[in-house]
Order: sequence, then C-alpha cells, then structure tokens
Amino acid sequence: AQKITQTQPGMFVQEKEAVTLDCTYDTSDPSYGLFWYKQPSSGEMIFLIYQGSYDQQNATEGRYSLNFQKARKSANLVISASQLGDSAMYFCAMRDSSGGYQKVTFGTGTKLQVIP
Amino acid sequence: DTGVSQDPRHKITKRGQNVTFRCDPISEHNRLYWYRQTLGQGPEFLTYFQNEAQLEKSRLLSDRFSAERPKGSFSTLEIQRTEQGDSAMYLCASSQLPLTSGRLSTGELFFGEGSRLTVL
Repeated sequence: AQKITQTQPGMFVQEKEAVTLDCTYDTSDPSYGLFWYKQPSSGEMIFLIYQGSYDQQNATEGRYSLNFQKARKSANLVISASQLGDSAMYFCAMRDSSGGYQKVTFGTGTKLQVIP
Repeated sequence: DTGVSQDPRHKITKRGQNVTFRCDPISEHNRLYWYRQTLGQGPEFLTYFQNEAQLEKSRLLSDRFSAERPKGSFSTLEIQRTEQGDSAMYLCASSQLPLTSGRLSTGELFFGEGSRLTVL
C-alpha cells in the first residue's frame, strides 16, 4: 500500500485565488511528521511546511497552511492568494518509524499551474 | 556555502560503466538520505544513514548499488555496471535528529541540487 497518496496529478488555479492540494497517508506509527515540499522547474526541493502528529493546531507558514485531519489521515496543503511563482510540483512527504527506522517517504506529486 | 552539495552535477556514461556520486551534507546534520527521481515522479527512497550507520536500504537498491558514509560525514553512492534504466536524478538530503521527548520536532530534509545521470 502507498504510504503517501497524492491523487491530483495536475491542478490549475487563477492568480490570487486559493488552492488546496490533497495528501493522504498511511502509517501505524503514532509519532510521525508530515512535510510539504515545492519543486520548481529549476529542480531544487524547497521545504514549505511541517505538521507533527501530536500538534494540536494546523501548521501555518505565510501563505501556506496545512489542513491536518488526523482521523482521516489527510494533510492537505492550502496555498492562499496564489502567485505566478507558485507554479511548480508539490510533494507531500511523511517521516515515520513503521518500517523499523525513521525514514521520509514522498508522494508522486501534484503539478500546480497558476494562470494569470 | 553551508548547504548540501553534490558532485558531479551531471554525468553521462556508457552502459556497463561504473559511476560514483558524492554528497557533502550540512556539517551538523547526522542523518543523510539518498533518493532517486525520474521525470515527473516523486523522489524514491534509496537509503538512509544515521551518522556512519546505514540503517535502511530500499528494495529498489539492487546489488549494483552501494552507498557509504565513512566517519559519518560525506557519503558516496556507487552504481556498478550501469544500465539505461539507471538514468535519473540522484538526490541527497540531510537532516538533524528530531528531538524526541514524546514529540517530533521538524527535522526537515535539506536537499542538494542533485546529480543527473544519463546512461547511453
């Protein structure tokens, strides 16, 4: 079974609108961490936001927020006021110990395109 | 520059040749990861070190692949007898050990710019 599932291969959003990128995860470890990374066409992986499994509140970083629904095992990324520079691949990732040692597993990504 | 550095950035080789990639992590980071990424896909986990100990290897890592991290500093990833299917971007990342007093801190991965391998 996939540990991280991103069901949206591609998304379009109008500039200045908000967009939600979906991510569901699967783990039996009660202590885990969830990450979102951005990968522009230039290729570098840019860390955006982190949510710990014990965190009571949803994480926020500037225009990025994480809609964490623990019971549903979902960790959707919300980008508010989209900008043209937000066009990129977005990857959801999870760190857990269910495989024996902590490692970080990535999803297949969502390609976001912001339309002017 | 105190980020993660990888060398070489690009490598073109003929099928059957051996190649080696080097990764220098951020100096205070004790965790080091290798991933492989093909076009349009997410990074696939290959292997993971904590200090000098290789703690986990993916089933993706055939016997032709070997990774080392002597003295817990830089790491090398060697691919022997390369095949065309090995063509990919090889990403290295490092992180600090998250504090674990019942909770995980961030411990996010810091990535290098990658080493792109093309096997002809």
